[in-house]
Amino acid sequence: GAGVSQSPSNKVTEKGKDVELRCDPISGHTALYWYRQRLGQGLEFLIYFQGNSAPDKSGLPSDRFSAERTGESVSTLTIQRTQQEDSAVYLCASSLASTAQYFGPGTRLLVL
Amino acid sequence: DQQVKQNSPSLSVQEGRISILNCDYTNSMFDYFLWYKKYPAEGPTFLISISSIKDKNEDGRFTVFLNKSAKHLSLHIVPSQPGDSAVYFCAANAGNNRKLIWGLGTSLAVNP
Repeated sequence: GAGVSQSPSNKVTEKGKDVELRCDPISGHTALYWYRQRLGQGLEFLIYFQGNSAPDKSGLPSDRFSAERTGESVSTLTIQRTQQEDSAVYLCASSLASTAQYFGPGTRLLVL
Repeated sequence: DQQVKQNSPSLSVQEGRISILNCDYTNSMFDYFLWYKKYPAEGPTFLISISSIKDKNEDGRFTVFLNKSAKHLSLHIVPSQPGDSAVYFCAANAGNNRKLIWGLGTSLAVNP
């Protein structure tokens, strides 16, 4: 597609349930990033994939968070045993190796 | 510790006037700076960037100025238009680390 797409656009879940968020990057972009933005706060880096290199997981807030990427395509971010503080907009971005990052529309997650 | 700071949470200007959005950073290793615009319920949109080897980059109505000695950059929008009303984020990274460090954003309102 022309841009980064994310699904679902909105997700409401109950505390303790697992959720899986999907990101389709721009075709040909080697780098993929996950961020989150909680209400009233800035963007918080979560994880970064670059080609076949080991991902930079330094931003993942806890071991309940994990992400995978298949080659240079789709990525999924999984949050296990969701907590209310996980409620946020989860943003995915992709880029070529040394260019600006292009963002998807985000997934709005609400944990009740 | 906030490495990228946008000290003005909001800014209001009249249509046709200049908007100046400011950003300060603390990490002297940052060598690439970006500005993004974000509308509600959308992901951030890349606007303009600047490398630390330059002190100015211009793209249409948008100009970014970098003052490395002061660790300060600014985004100028002239003339401002109502459609420019959005939250503007400053971001930076260092060397080969593609992880962007973000400011908290400045909400710009351009009044007709």
